[in-house]
Amino acid sequence: DTAVSQTPKYLVTQMGNDKSIKCEQNLGHDTMYWYKQDSKKFLKIMFSYNNKELIINETVPNRFSPKSPDKAHLNLHINSLELGDSAVYFCASRPYSGSRDEQFFGPGTRLTVL
Amino acid sequence: GENVEQHPSTLSVQEGDSAVIKCTYSDSASNYFPWYKQELGKRPQLIIDIRSNVGEKKDQRIAVTLNKTAKHFSLHITETQPEDSAVYFCAASMERDDKIIFGKGTRLHILP
Repeated sequence: DTAVSQTPKYLVTQMGNDKSIKCEQNLGHDTMYWYKQDSKKFLKIMFSYNNKELIINETVPNRFSPKSPDKAHLNLHINSLELGDSAVYFCASRPYSGSRDEQFFGPGTRLTVL
Repeated sequence: GENVEQHPSTLSVQEGDSAVIKCTYSDSASNYFPWYKQELGKRPQLIIDIRSNVGEKKDQRIAVTLNKTAKHFSLHITETQPEDSAVYFCAASMERDDKIIFGKGTRLHILP
């Protein structure tokens, strides 16, 4: 009964390709996030969605486009992949926007761009 | 925007000793301060959190203190064990803003 799940777990691809990462949560939460964790382990927020609406869009290149078909899913599509996109991408969810409750993370997707 | 500083970046302690990790935040409106533990190759998981109306919170060997005036908070782990080895992240957030801002992490090594 995984609370927040991501697919795939590993993704190895060539520069210039387009790829997607999927995230699903079964917690009934309203708010979902994408984080990027680089090689130095720094966790940086990329996007936040609340009930399918974009709330936070940090200074992320336009090549990254999140999509939320419903409040249980938040996918991340990346166009024209670059070497610097190599990182672990974590999806997360929280009960609602501004909630002071635990944020649950998915298992992560390790993206390697060659 | 909010900025969270975390120190030290690496900490090695002898098994059985205590470990302390310190964080400061910049926005006085922040009112929720979670701590996450991330084991190698795993996801970050919440270990303890504190809200701004509380000065201290304890859960077994883990405690967190908050000084709102000085805008700093700390994680204390007593009687450290090998399984405490991990990267620990402090974070801060406020109700009016959906972001949780993370510190840069502390890699804790428990030495046998």
